[in-house]
Amino acid sequence: DSGVTQTPKHLITATGQRVTLRCSPRSGDLSVYWYQQSLDQGLQFLIHYYNGEERAKGNILERFSAQQFPDLHSELNLSSLELGDSALYFCASSVSIQRSSGANVLTFGAGSRLTVL
Amino acid sequence: SQQGEEDPQALSIQEGENATMNCSYKTSINNLQWYRQNSGRGLVHLILIRSNEREKHSGRLRVTLDTSKKSSSLLITASRAADTASYFCATGYSGGGADGLTFGKGTHLIIQP
Repeated sequence: DSGVTQTPKHLITATGQRVTLRCSPRSGDLSVYWYQQSLDQGLQFLIHYYNGEERAKGNILERFSAQQFPDLHSELNLSSLELGDSALYFCASSVSIQRSSGANVLTFGAGSRLTVL
Repeated sequence: SQQGEEDPQALSIQEGENATMNCSYKTSINNLQWYRQNSGRGLVHLILIRSNEREKHSGRLRVTLDTSKKSSSLLITASRAADTASYFCATGYSGGGADGLTFGKGTHLIIQP
């Protein structure tokens, strides 16, 4: 158990629907990152929050949004779902932000597997 | 966008042999990390090497970094069946800020018993 909790573990839904994925970071970690992993695209960075504020945006679609709440848990909202959104969605956390690029060590959750039919 | 690229994409060896995976990246880096992912599970951090380091060890793992060639290698010695996993290199995310990591597509390592 990494200490990062993601729910739900599995989710099956239909095209056009909206889902919310939830993440609780490891105790003491202020940063939350969301990644999407698919067979063809690999692991794609979506978005990063630090202590409730958005820090960096990656390849996140406009149909997707996220937020980090005062208790530091985060939610990733996926709307108008398409078949291509089927993937593993990972949340990761880290203690703080580092000034040196690539120095943040991430602790990953077990992921939420989304299947869009 | 992805920065690191692992090579080979897949590697199958016998238990007890050494496994070497390579990572090439495009732009200069300050740090490079390696992660392991067991099938369908979350990634686990293995080791971080800074740009001013050439080699780093952790147990059966040895990581090298050649900044002139923009490449890194991960060596797993005396492999075990439990080492079967995908291995990813990661560098700082170039799109915005120093905080995120960008990952390659990984090397899938299979250890045959």
